[in-house]
Amino acid sequence: GAGVSQSPSNKVTEKGKDVELRCDPISGHTALYWYRQRLGQGLEFLIYFQGNSAPDKSGLPSDRFSAERTGESVSTLTIQRTQQEDSAVYLCASSLALGSETQYFGPGTRLLVL
Amino acid sequence: AQSVSQHNHHVILSEAASLELGCNYSYGGTVNLFWYVQYPGQHLQLLLKYFSGDPLVKGIKGFEAEFIKSKFSFNLRKPSVQWSDTAEYFCAVTLSGGYNKLIFGAGTRLAVHP
Repeated sequence: GAGVSQSPSNKVTEKGKDVELRCDPISGHTALYWYRQRLGQGLEFLIYFQGNSAPDKSGLPSDRFSAERTGESVSTLTIQRTQQEDSAVYLCASSLALGSETQYFGPGTRLLVL
Repeated sequence: AQSVSQHNHHVILSEAASLELGCNYSYGGTVNLFWYVQYPGQHLQLLLKYFSGDPLVKGIKGFEAEFIKSKFSFNLRKPSVQWSDTAEYFCAVTLSGGYNKLIFGAGTRLAVHP
């Protein structure tokens, strides 16, 4: 079956603009995660969804970042008033459920804020 | 705060050399441990994982890792590397009760020369 997909694959935006990043998880996966990878650094956790609720938003770096999920499918990560330090690869992952489940990653969205 | 340390940021080897990549984590409780690999131009994918049981786990492509609880370590090994192992390798943990969010190390870039 299809893996995790993300769109767009690349996004260049100007400082101050809003961006929306989209993630389609693997069908049937109830858990969905967003991570960010800045240049030369490891991945950092942003937010997690179980179904359409987000019990852990602890990783969102500021109130400019928000995310939502429709049911157990698509999720969008929105960054308002983008800053240059938001430039990174944004990765989405999904897993079957909570607990000790393997996460499957999408290809990421490479965001560049000029 | 919990963290994962990967001591080698860049490793260069010749084909057939043995590989060991270090990974240590800082958390006193129960953890699940993972190694992910990202080949050039590809998604992040799971190499191997440890949840419980035999602390020596075998993954894909001849990789293995050993969980040493007393040392808080989960080093990745391969007896004989190939050019196709050139990739970036990430160690990660999930914490018991931590909603399954992955905490990643900074990654190790491995270059294997023919």
